[in-house]
Amino acid sequence: AQKITQTQPGMFVQEKEAVTLDCTYDTSDPSYGLFWYKQPSSGEMIFLIYQGSYDQQNATEGRYSLNFQKARKSANLVISASQLGDSAMYFCAMREGSTLGRLYFGRGTQLTVWP
Amino acid sequence: DTGVSQDPRHKITKRGQNVTFRCDPISEHNRLYWYRQTLGQGPEFLTYFQNEAQLEKSRLLSDRFSAERPKGSFSTLEIQRTEQGDSAMYLCASSLPGTGEKLFFGSGTQLSVL
Repeated sequence: AQKITQTQPGMFVQEKEAVTLDCTYDTSDPSYGLFWYKQPSSGEMIFLIYQGSYDQQNATEGRYSLNFQKARKSANLVISASQLGDSAMYFCAMREGSTLGRLYFGRGTQLTVWP
Repeated sequence: DTGVSQDPRHKITKRGQNVTFRCDPISEHNRLYWYRQTLGQGPEFLTYFQNEAQLEKSRLLSDRFSAERPKGSFSTLEIQRTEQGDSAMYLCASSLPGTGEKLFFGSGTQLSVL
């Protein structure tokens, strides 16, 4: 079974609008962490936001927020006030508590922001 | 401010040749990771070091692959007898241990095996 599922291959949003990128995860480990990374065309993976499984509140980092619904095993990324520079591939990833070094990544969502 | 550095950025090789990539992590980071990313996929974990110790290896890392981090600083990833299926982006990342530790990635080495 896939550890991370991203069902949206591509998303389009108009500049200044908000957009939600979906992510569901699968683990039986009670301790885990969820991450979102951005990969522009240059190739470098850029960390955006982190949510721990025991965190009570949804994580926020500037224009990024993570909508964490534990019972549904979903960790959607919300980008508010989209900018043209947000156009990139976005990856959801998970670290399970029992595997120290490994992140499991989804297949990504290509976000295009249009003027 | 120096991030994670990878060299070379691009490598073209013929099938059967050996290739070696280098990664220089952020200086104070003691954890170092190698990932592989093929077109249309997310990165896949290959291996991970804490200081000079290789603590975990994926089953993706066949006998033709070897990674080292001899002094706990830079790391090398060698692929012997390359195959066309090895064509991919090889990403290196580093981190400090801790809850929610962020992985800082380099720009990757794009390998093309002809």
